[in-house]
Amino acid sequence: KAGVTQTPRYLIKTRGQQVTLSCSPISGHRSVSWYQQTPGQGLQFLFEYFSETQRNKGNFPGRFSGRQFSNSRSEMNVSTLELGDSALYLCASSFVSSHRSGLNGEQFFGPGTRLTVL
Amino acid sequence: GQQVMQIPQYQHVQEGEDFTTYCNSSTTLSNIQWYKQRPGGHPVFLIQLVKSGEVKKQKRLTFQFGEAKKNSSLHITATQTTDVGTYFCANTDKLIFGTGTRLQVFP
Repeated sequence: KAGVTQTPRYLIKTRGQQVTLSCSPISGHRSVSWYQQTPGQGLQFLFEYFSETQRNKGNFPGRFSGRQFSNSRSEMNVSTLELGDSALYLCASSFVSSHRSGLNGEQFFGPGTRLTVL
Repeated sequence: GQQVMQIPQYQHVQEGEDFTTYCNSSTTLSNIQWYKQRPGGHPVFLIQLVKSGEVKKQKRLTFQFGEAKKNSSLHITATQTTDVGTYFCANTDKLIFGTGTRLQVFP
């Protein structure tokens, strides 16, 4: 079974630009979550999508948005990039959504997209 | 808001020594998961604990869930260089990850 894939793996943008990152979950997984990882802030939850609906949202500004398609693939968009957005963006897929408390499934992480904002 | 703190932030040990990381939540958890992230890699699931006071073992790793379901620990016996990485606990109700403990093992 193929793992979680993320594209692109590396990206360099300048301030003010926007960026779209893509995540393809493991076949059969309907939950996709996005995380931002930085040395200073650790692993921070952005949002989770399950069956094309946003189920959970972290504490990030509206410049960060996402969506999920009917095939469970997900995209994350960051508009008006800032220097502080430089980070590793990880997506993770799971068979079960986090909102089913007590039935949380193992999350499988992709390799991440390393975004650098200049 | 909900927070999940881990201590210590860093731990350097000699190979063969034991290691423990502690995870503390400000709220009661329905369950907790542990992940390991090797340097340059991505987090990999280790285990999930569900029951109050639960203890699970995986070879040299022992995981424990507190009686009040607000804390958890991961203990590694006789560390090896392959244990190097950052260990995260996660509150999977809200998909909140702990601050992580970076383990360095010197041969």
